[in-house]
Amino acid sequence: NAGVTQTPKFQVLKTGQSMTLQCAQDMNHEYMSWYRQDPGMGLRLIHYSVGAGITDQGEVPNGYNVSRSTTEDFPLRLLSAAPSQTSVYFCASSYTGFGGEGYTFGSGTRLTVV
Amino acid sequence: GIQVEQSPPDLILQEGANSTLRCNFSDSVNNLQWFHQNPWGQLINLFYIPSGTKQNGRLSATTVATERYSLLYISSSQTTDSGVYFCAVGIPGGTASKLTFGTGTRLQVTL
Repeated sequence: NAGVTQTPKFQVLKTGQSMTLQCAQDMNHEYMSWYRQDPGMGLRLIHYSVGAGITDQGEVPNGYNVSRSTTEDFPLRLLSAAPSQTSVYFCASSYTGFGGEGYTFGSGTRLTVV
Repeated sequence: GIQVEQSPPDLILQEGANSTLRCNFSDSVNNLQWFHQNPWGQLINLFYIPSGTKQNGRLSATTVATERYSLLYISSSQTTDSGVYFCAVGIPGGTASKLTFGTGTRLQVTL
């Protein structure tokens, strides 16, 4: 099993550009989330999904969109990149409603906005 | 929202030493997890422990939910234990997959 796969691993964007961070899992997990990690601030929740077709906002949703058309995929879209969105982005998935022992992270996408 | 505080923020150990990392949280939780982020950035799930005690090899964790804290014990530390340890919590009535993370304890194990 591949687990949670994130692409790309690294990306540099110019201010105002848009892009999509991809996240795919092959564990048939219903629950998926996107976090960003900034130095000294731990991880903060951007958006999450409790199943195909159902998404909701987390702590820091502004500037990001998500959709969940399939159980496997949960892409994160940056609409108009800003330097404040420079961060490391992690996707996670789990099979239970409350995380639990199956909570699995992808390897991350390091994004720089110049 | 719920506050999650971890201590100490930084810890340096010699190989073979033991350590205790602490996580305090400000409200009732129904989910508490410990993660290890290795020096390459990968996040590994260590424990799902909303209450009670669990052990996995040299690592063990205890959560006292009524007193709103959790402890992670590392015994006989090894250089491979280096990295950042995060505590993350979920709240009752909170939707699945919503975890609030602490700011972490950065551990360096030296030879």
